[in-house]
Amino acid sequence: DAGITQSPRYKITETGRQVTLMCHQTWSHSYMFWYRQDLGHGLRLIYYSAAADITDKGEVPDGYVVSRSKTENFPLTLESATRSQTSVYFCASSEPQGSMNTEAFFGQGTRLTVV
Amino acid sequence: QKEVEQDPGPLSVPEGAIVSLNCTYSNSAFQYFMWYRQYSRKGPELLMYTYSSGNKEDGRFTAQVDKSSKYISLFIRDSQPSDSATYLCAMSADSGYSTLTFGKGTMLLVSP
Repeated sequence: DAGITQSPRYKITETGRQVTLMCHQTWSHSYMFWYRQDLGHGLRLIYYSAAADITDKGEVPDGYVVSRSKTENFPLTLESATRSQTSVYFCASSEPQGSMNTEAFFGQGTRLTVV
Repeated sequence: QKEVEQDPGPLSVPEGAIVSLNCTYSNSAFQYFMWYRQYSRKGPELLMYTYSSGNKEDGRFTAQVDKSSKYISLFIRDSQPSDSATYLCAMSADSGYSTLTFGKGTMLLVSP
């Protein structure tokens, strides 16, 4: 199916464990993003990527690692999960047109609980 | 003061009402403004996208930007129960999504 998919949809993990959230898009969009959404904070950008092998930090990157070896995949790794990383994580992708960025398409989200 | 302020609601209205959702911001460099709609347990989806000041209409939805007051609005006419969702405003100083700043979202409930 065409679109952007995240896996898993739900994850419970223990403090200190490494966790990887997967994101896959079928449009070959250049840009991909990871956001976290928390009550009281809204959506905050963790990392983004403008192309394969190009990544950059967003507003809240500490404790997270990303990679983008292929255009269609953008995994997010929590190196040592903490309770403060309990959140809903959204992946998104977009393809700029000229000087204007176009619509960002969001995945369904991964609900992560760190216990 | 947060860069983007948005009342979290919930805002409850009867079906058919005109709804007004608003955001204020402090960064005068913002010139790209968006409204996203997010249904429960789903990802946000783009509803409206405007550049600089002025109005933009799309069906029952109208987006207004007043840069002099640093104030943006989304109006929904003839609201429907299917409009019940959280509405997020977002804005940036350039066209790149890397610099997009979101409001916290306003929950809207439209009752039949």
